[in-house]
Amino acid sequence: QSVLTQPPSVSAAPGQKVTISCSGSSSNIGSHYVSWYQQLPGTAPKLLIYENNQRPSGIPDRFSGSKSGTSATLDITGLQTGDEADYYCVTWDGSLSVWVFGEGTKLTVL
Amino acid sequence: EVQLVESGGDLVQPGGSLRLSCAASGFRFTKYWMHWVRQAPGKGLEWVADIKPDGSETYYVDSVRGRFTISRDNAKDSLYLQMNSLRAEDTAMYYCVKDSTKWAFDYWGQGTLVTVSS
Repeated sequence: QSVLTQPPSVSAAPGQKVTISCSGSSSNIGSHYVSWYQQLPGTAPKLLIYENNQRPSGIPDRFSGSKSGTSATLDITGLQTGDEADYYCVTWDGSLSVWVFGEGTKLTVL
Repeated sequence: EVQLVESGGDLVQPGGSLRLSCAASGFRFTKYWMHWVRQAPGKGLEWVADIKPDGSETYYVDSVRGRFTISRDNAKDSLYLQMNSLRAEDTAMYYCVKDSTKWAFDYWGQGTLVTVSS
């Protein structure tokens, strides 16, 4: 069981918005940056968001991240069928001295 | 273009050993922390180990500490993971991952599959 809690699944219709939450504690999200990754079926993960809310070049602004206290969220607007994937939050845990991943959230675009 | 190409995955018996390799190109390898991240079949991602740019510091998740050794050869732009005393629960796709220096992992290899089974 991960120290970062994500909902197992979320779904929404094309064009709609979805929010994926990531809940942690003071030793991880509460004191360190959060990043988000998209893993399309059968492929390696891809960086979507770093330092809580920054997008690497090439990532559309439909993807946005935020952090408040010991929780972080990933928002995806204008959903497309190609967004169907697993999404993971990641941060450093200062108490455990390890990088910790959320359990992953499967996004279904209905 | 950044490329990370893993190799060395195989079917191995419990208690056996395996060495994974990762060939890096397209960036200054000597400047970056590097990581191994794994994913068991149908499961989530798990950070395994990382290594400082000069190789002087290494860190591991508790479940592999003492059995796995991460290393690098900066002259060959290569990252390694020596895996000993393998267990069934080590079965996973192993990804070689580049640190972005901004508290994130910015490039991932395609992965190499390790299966531990008798």
